[in-house]
Amino acid sequence: EIVMTQSPATLSVSPGERATLSCRASQSVTSNLAWYQQRPGQAPRLLIYGASTRATGIPARFSGSGSGTEFTLTISSLQSEDFAVYYCQQYNNWPPITFGQGTRLEIK
Amino acid sequence: QVQLQESGPGLVKPSETLSLTCTVSGASIRNYYCSWIRQPPGKGLEWIGYIYYSGRTNYNPSLESRVTLSVDTSKNQFSLKLSSVTAADTAVYYCARHYYDASSYSVWGQGTLVTVSS
Repeated sequence: EIVMTQSPATLSVSPGERATLSCRASQSVTSNLAWYQQRPGQAPRLLIYGASTRATGIPARFSGSGSGTEFTLTISSLQSEDFAVYYCQQYNNWPPITFGQGTRLEIK
Repeated sequence: QVQLQESGPGLVKPSETLSLTCTVSGASIRNYYCSWIRQPPGKGLEWIGYIYYSGRTNYNPSLESRVTLSVDTSKNQFSLKLSSVTAADTAVYYCARHYYDASSYSVWGQGTLVTVSS
C-alpha cells in the first residue's frame, strides 16, 4: 500500500498571502495525484488531478506541481473561502487507492 | 447535471450489516464506476472500493472480507454492504462517480453519517 504523507498538519496563513501544501508518496505515483478541498460538513471537492491539471471551475489561484513522490499544492492570494482541509490522493498503485491525512489551512 | 445521493439507516448495531444505496440522477450510470469512500468523524478519507456498471469490483484489501458492492442499472443505483460492523465503522460514507477505474473523483454525493452503536 502506498502511504501518502501531507505536511504540515496545520498551516496558518493570512488572507491575501500564499499557501504551500506538500504531499509525499512512499513510492512513485508518477503523475496520478489529485488534490481535494473539504469544508466543514461538505464532501471533498476536486481541485487538481494529474498532479497539475485544474478541475472544471477551479480558480486559477490553485495550482499543483510535482511528480513521482513529491507534490505541492499552491494557493496564491488566499481568499476567506479557501480556509479548509486539503487532501491528496494517489491513484497510480492500487488497490487500495489512498489519501493523505490532510492539511488544515487556517486563518492566521 | 449529475447528482449522487447516499441513503440508508443512520444507526446500525454492532455485528450487524451496514447497507447504503447511492442513487444517481441526471445521467445514466452506464459506462461509469462508483467508488465508496468513508470518513470517520474528525479523521481522514478511506477508500472502500469501486464497482463498474457491469458489476466488476475492486476492494480495499483491509475491508475486502466484509464488503460487498452491487449495482442495479434499472434503478440507476449502486449499493454498499459492510458486514460485522463495529464502532470503528462509524463514519460518513460517500459515493463518487468516475469514468476510469483508477481515477480522481469529480462528482461526489453529499455523504451520509452511519453510527454503529447498540
